[in-house]
Amino acid sequence: SQKIEQNSEALNIQEGKTATLTCNYTNYSPAYLQWYRQDPGRGPVFLLLIRENEKEKRKERLKVTFDTTLKQSLFHITASQPADSATYLCALDPYSGGGADGLTFGKGTHLIIQP
Amino acid sequence: DVKVTQSSRYLVKRTGEKVFLECVQDMDHENMFWYRQDPGLGLRLIYFSYDVKMKEKGDIPEGYSVSREKKERFSLILESASTNQTSMYLCAAGGGPNNSPLHFGNGTRLTVT
Repeated sequence: SQKIEQNSEALNIQEGKTATLTCNYTNYSPAYLQWYRQDPGRGPVFLLLIRENEKEKRKERLKVTFDTTLKQSLFHITASQPADSATYLCALDPYSGGGADGLTFGKGTHLIIQP
Repeated sequence: DVKVTQSSRYLVKRTGEKVFLECVQDMDHENMFWYRQDPGLGLRLIYFSYDVKMKEKGDIPEGYSVSREKKERFSLILESASTNQTSMYLCAAGGGPNNSPLHFGNGTRLTVT
């Protein structure tokens, strides 16, 4: 069966360090993968999209990698701040049809940045 | 900026009631989606629509229906609410062949008693 796995445990990181979150998938061949941030009581907010032919994507303090051989994406936040504390979701298009059928989401990793 | 608005943040309904959850987008997107989010289960797709009056079942459509009479509005209907439909419901717009991201509303927390 198709599966997207993210660390179910909360990830505690000290302020200023780099936080690295993992997203593994099986039985998919996604054309791209997306990362979202979700704060308590709010809807997810889009952060980054990376395509299968891109190894790495950056946006300010965020970096995403995509390894289609390992079937894994890593999401990094450098110089982490307490305001980065949130749940981070990875998502992919299960049918590689451009997302018209909706995205499939991982369960998310709860990141806590401690001052 | 893009906006998806869900009409209610919190709703409390009784078992057996018919419940309407409303969602409006201002982005002129063809695609709209309804997800529910539960602890330990994550986001699960209920229904989606890629055009006015068109609808497709997602992964967990049982007990739900939808309506899309206008492009900007996508409604989720619980025909006869049950306690296992207590959840956070999230509407989204976007996606499509351009790989545009999904824009979510802030959710409706529905409690069925």
